[in-house]
Amino acid sequence: GDSVTQMEGPVTLSEEAFLTINCTYTATGYPSLFWYVQYPGEGLQLLLKATKADDKGSNKGFEATYRKETTSFHLEKGSVQVSDSAVYFCALRMGNDMRFGAGTRLTVKP
Amino acid sequence: EAQVTQNPRYLITVTGKKLTVTCSQNMNHEYMSWYRQDPGLGLRQIYYSMNVEVTDKGDVPEGYKVSRKEKRNFPLILESPSPNQTSLYFCASSPGTSPLTGELFFGEGSRLTVL
Repeated sequence: GDSVTQMEGPVTLSEEAFLTINCTYTATGYPSLFWYVQYPGEGLQLLLKATKADDKGSNKGFEATYRKETTSFHLEKGSVQVSDSAVYFCALRMGNDMRFGAGTRLTVKP
Repeated sequence: EAQVTQNPRYLITVTGKKLTVTCSQNMNHEYMSWYRQDPGLGLRQIYYSMNVEVTDKGDVPEGYKVSRKEKRNFPLILESPSPNQTSLYFCASSPGTSPLTGELFFGEGSRLTVL
């Protein structure tokens, strides 16, 4: 079935470091892809999305590009801040079915 | 304010004591869903509802029941909770169905401990 695999954490970075969180997917068709973020004590919220191949989603300095050839949707940010500390979930949608990865915990230290 | 509201946020209970976690959304969304979040497993869908009186099983429905009598409410019922249902539960909603088009809006979560 359709699934998402993302890099295991936790990830610990210093402020202003470059961030990459890897995400790959398996799907029978052409899914829409998402990154959700969960701040401590809160529910998930949409960070960015891409609905077709080569689309780039971006928000709050984060970016991810839908790569059909590598079935990937890696999350990147050029310079992380302490406030980016959270759990990040990669997800895909095929029709009415949403699938989430296991989540990657990011801690940014001052 | 547009939101998904879950109650209770925290609950400790004992095996076999029936409980209900309520979920309400004020965005007139058609689609609602329940997930459980466990370490290393991410979010797994328990049940979902495409509209009033329409519900369907997700990946891990065993031990849970739901109902959708009104558009805004989607309660999760544990008839006889067991310790393996100790988890963090999220309710989510989304506008549009067939196919699901919009983003998911999540509640703040309900942490349930079953002793």
